[in-house]
Amino acid sequence: SQQGEEDPQALSIQEGENATMNCSYKTSINNLQWYRQNSGRGLVHLILIRSNEREKHSGRLRVTLDTSKKSSSLLITASRAADTASYFCVTWLTGGGNKLTFGTGTQLKVEL
Amino acid sequence: DVKVTQSSRYLVKRTGEKVFLECVQDMDHENMFWYRQDPGLGLRLIYFSYDVKMKEKGDIPEGYSVSREKKERFSLILESASTNQTSMYLCASSSMGQGNEQFFGPGTRLTVL
Repeated sequence: SQQGEEDPQALSIQEGENATMNCSYKTSINNLQWYRQNSGRGLVHLILIRSNEREKHSGRLRVTLDTSKKSSSLLITASRAADTASYFCVTWLTGGGNKLTFGTGTQLKVEL
Repeated sequence: DVKVTQSSRYLVKRTGEKVFLECVQDMDHENMFWYRQDPGLGLRLIYFSYDVKMKEKGDIPEGYSVSREKKERFSLILESASTNQTSMYLCASSSMGQGNEQFFGPGTRLTVL
């Protein structure tokens, strides 16, 4: 099974609403990253949170990390149609060398 | 802006053909990666390279090889393409060090008939 599993697999909201995606992982990590993929811009890095950090913000994005529960959440506030994309939780495992491990993603649809 | 380019957006090949996928990055990154992306399986690492002429196997290297003769270029080679290698192939690069942000190319959708 995947190291990082996102929940829900699919999410549909109205423009202006907040979107929350969760990620659970199984083993110890050095950092956790979120990426977005859409047809226009491909796969793009959004934010990185280190294992000793609990919360991080970037524009309309807020990421939390709870290493005791092995979970992370990505909150997108005031969503826009342009936020429609797949969002991936990506972990850099302790002892993982140069490898990042990708989850299967949450498909977010923001409707007008 | 970091730019990672891939030689083709779409490619159609026949079973048994030798296939070359090229990736070029312009940010002087030490690390380069090849992934394949399949529905329900996410991205899986095929090979990566942390320096010129250096390569390491990822999770699914079988049926693939790679070449890195120059720092900016990382090639993925399918020695004898098979139908189960039909997939989206993504190249990425990152700066020296481990666990850093990766910059991705637009992808090559390969169909093997």
